[in-house]
Amino acid sequence: QVQLQESGPGLVKPSETLSLTCTVSGGSVSSGNYYWSWIRQPPGKGLEWIGYIYYTGSTNFNPSLKSRVTISLDTSKNQFSLKLSSVTAADTAVYYCARRRFGDGAVDIWGQGTMVTVSS
Amino acid sequence: DIQMTQSPSSLSASVGDRVTIACRASQSISSYLNWYQQKPGKAPKLLIYATSSLQSGVPSRFSGSGSGTDFTLTISSLQPEDFATYYCQQSYSTPHTFGQGTKLEIK
Repeated sequence: QVQLQESGPGLVKPSETLSLTCTVSGGSVSSGNYYWSWIRQPPGKGLEWIGYIYYTGSTNFNPSLKSRVTISLDTSKNQFSLKLSSVTAADTAVYYCARRRFGDGAVDIWGQGTMVTVSS
Repeated sequence: DIQMTQSPSSLSASVGDRVTIACRASQSISSYLNWYQQKPGKAPKLLIYATSSLQSGVPSRFSGSGSGTDFTLTISSLQPEDFATYYCQQSYSTPHTFGQGTKLEIK
C-alpha cells in the first residue's frame, strides 16, 4: 500500500528556511490522480492546509503562507518537498505530507508527521 | 477563504451512545465535505468523503450527511476506539480549510 514518510530537521532557527521532504513508497508522484500536499498542526491546535503540487508541477498555496512557501517534486526519487522561508515561532508545528485525491479532494493517505520547532 | 465551524467543540459520551457532530461552512461547498478522525500523537485518518461516502475500511457505524453549508457526522453506537478528535474539511475551493475540531471524550 502507499506510504508517505517525512524527513528533515526537527529544529530550525528563526528567520531561516524550514525544509522537509516526503518520500512516497508503493505509489508514484507522477500519477495524475493525486495532488501531493503539506498540512501542519501547531501543538494543541487544529489543522492548517499549506498547499499542494500536481505531477505537472502546478502548485496551489494557502494565501496566508504563499509568499514564503515553495513545494517541489522530484519524480526520479519519488519525493516531494516543502520549503518555508523566514520562519518564526508561529511556524512551530507537526508537519504532515499527504495525498489528496484529484476528484473529491479528500486527503486519503497521510505521513506520520514530523515535529519542527523554530527556536534559537 | 471559506470558514468551517464545528459544534460542539467538545463532547462527552458513553460507549453505545449515538453521537452527532455538526459542521457549517461560511458559503456553499456543494458536497465537497470530508471528515477525519485524529487520535493523540497520530496523523488524521479519513473517515467520510464527499459528505456521505464511507472511506474503505471505515466501520459502518460512521455516517455523514448534509449539503450546501450544513453537514453532520454521526456515530451510531460509540465504541471505545472512537474517542478522538474529529475534523471536517472543505475541498470545494482552496485553501482547503478545516474546522477547529470536536474532541469526543468518555463520560
